[in-house]
Amino acid sequence: EAGVAQSPRYKIIEKRQSVAFWCNPISGHATLYWYQQILGQGPKLLIQFQNNGVVDDSQLPKDRFSAERLKGVDSTLKIQPAKLEDSAVYLCASSIGQRLLSLGNTIYFGEGSWLTVV
Amino acid sequence: EDKVVQSPLSLVVHEGDTVTLNCSYEVTNFRSLLWYKQEKKAPTFLFMLTSSGIEKKSGRLSSILDKKELSSILNITATQTGDSAIYLCAVEAVTGNQFYFGTGTSLTVIP
Repeated sequence: EAGVAQSPRYKIIEKRQSVAFWCNPISGHATLYWYQQILGQGPKLLIQFQNNGVVDDSQLPKDRFSAERLKGVDSTLKIQPAKLEDSAVYLCASSIGQRLLSLGNTIYFGEGSWLTVV
Repeated sequence: EDKVVQSPLSLVVHEGDTVTLNCSYEVTNFRSLLWYKQEKKAPTFLFMLTSSGIEKKSGRLSSILDKKELSSILNITATQTGDSAIYLCAVEAVTGNQFYFGTGTSLTVIP
């Protein structure tokens, strides 16, 4: 079974430039997550999709970050304009997302997109 | 506010030592608790715990959940340098399939 695919793996941009990250979740996974992980901290949820609808984007800085999952499969996360404090790893993850599962879900991560803003 | 707290934040041990990592949580509508190991890449899944008192074991790693105390521990026996990583605890809420992560425990195993 293929895992969560992300690209690019690494990106270096100057502040005020824009960047986009792409994610393809595990086949059949309805729920897709974007996390931001700053060095030394745990992952922080930016946005969660259930199919192509947004479940939670309360911590997404909407003045500069946007995300979409138009057909309920792939997703794109964009930052425009980037700030120095956006330097982090952006982790995409997916889970089956069946709320009736009594045994719980497992969330699977991609390799991450490492962003450095200079 | 839902939260997950891990302790200690960092730990340095010698090869062969046994370590215990802690995770406590305050999450509404708890469904499961998960442990992940993160080296210099994406977190990899270790355990999922849903029932109190039932130990999950994989080689030298084991974990147990205490729903009464709202906590879990991850034990690693006979540590090796390859165990050096950040160990993340996450709690899943029933509502919305949401996962809340702790800040992680950074483990360094010295030869």
